[in-house]
Amino acid sequence: DQQVKQNSPSLSVQEGRISILNCDYTNSMFDYFLWYKKYPAEGPTFLISISSIKDKNEDGRFTVFLNKSAKHLSLHIVPSQPGDSAVYFCAATRDDSWGKLQFGAGTQVVVTP
Amino acid sequence: EAGVTQFPSHSVIEKGQTVTLRCDPISGHDNLYWYRRVMGKEIKFLLHFVKESKQDESGMPNNRFLAERTGGTYSTLKVQPAELEDSGVYFCASSQASGQNTQYFGPGTRLTVL
Repeated sequence: DQQVKQNSPSLSVQEGRISILNCDYTNSMFDYFLWYKKYPAEGPTFLISISSIKDKNEDGRFTVFLNKSAKHLSLHIVPSQPGDSAVYFCAATRDDSWGKLQFGAGTQVVVTP
Repeated sequence: EAGVTQFPSHSVIEKGQTVTLRCDPISGHDNLYWYRRVMGKEIKFLLHFVKESKQDESGMPNNRFLAERTGGTYSTLKVQPAELEDSGVYFCASSQASGQNTQYFGPGTRLTVL
């Protein structure tokens, strides 16, 4: 039962443009959401997070938006850079689950010159 | 400060053999998590230690998998006997506290069962 879904397995974007990654979830009990970035042969690296009491969180070029009514979140990267080429995982957790993360399948982002 | 380390980075074994994966968390991190990613799918939770105690092992696939964290430091994950479907990348992560604290991931161990 996959409760976090990333329906786009890949995304290609030109350098300097905006990358928008989407994530949907089914469990309304999730109260904390995260994005991780993963390069080949490395482990996932934390990128940005958002609590369910907020609808937006921004950190430099990265902004995460949360729409609780739609059970949807998105990650915006502006402007996209070649170093952003990686797999991006959406993850969610519940406050009573001791940090157990539930991940989506990931979106491969390729930033082209 | 050293990050989460995992050993080996890659293991190739035959069906029916035993393999033991090791994870060394960041020093001082009481929480240690094991996850697995199979065939490019989602990363799935396996279990969670708080110090040496298993807090949640709801994600362990079956009793062929055994995780330990003696002394609350490093952890091992043993698969015995290994089956073809156990192939995948096994990640370990650690955090200072549980809940909404950032989990730091190791580079993973790629397990291939032939």
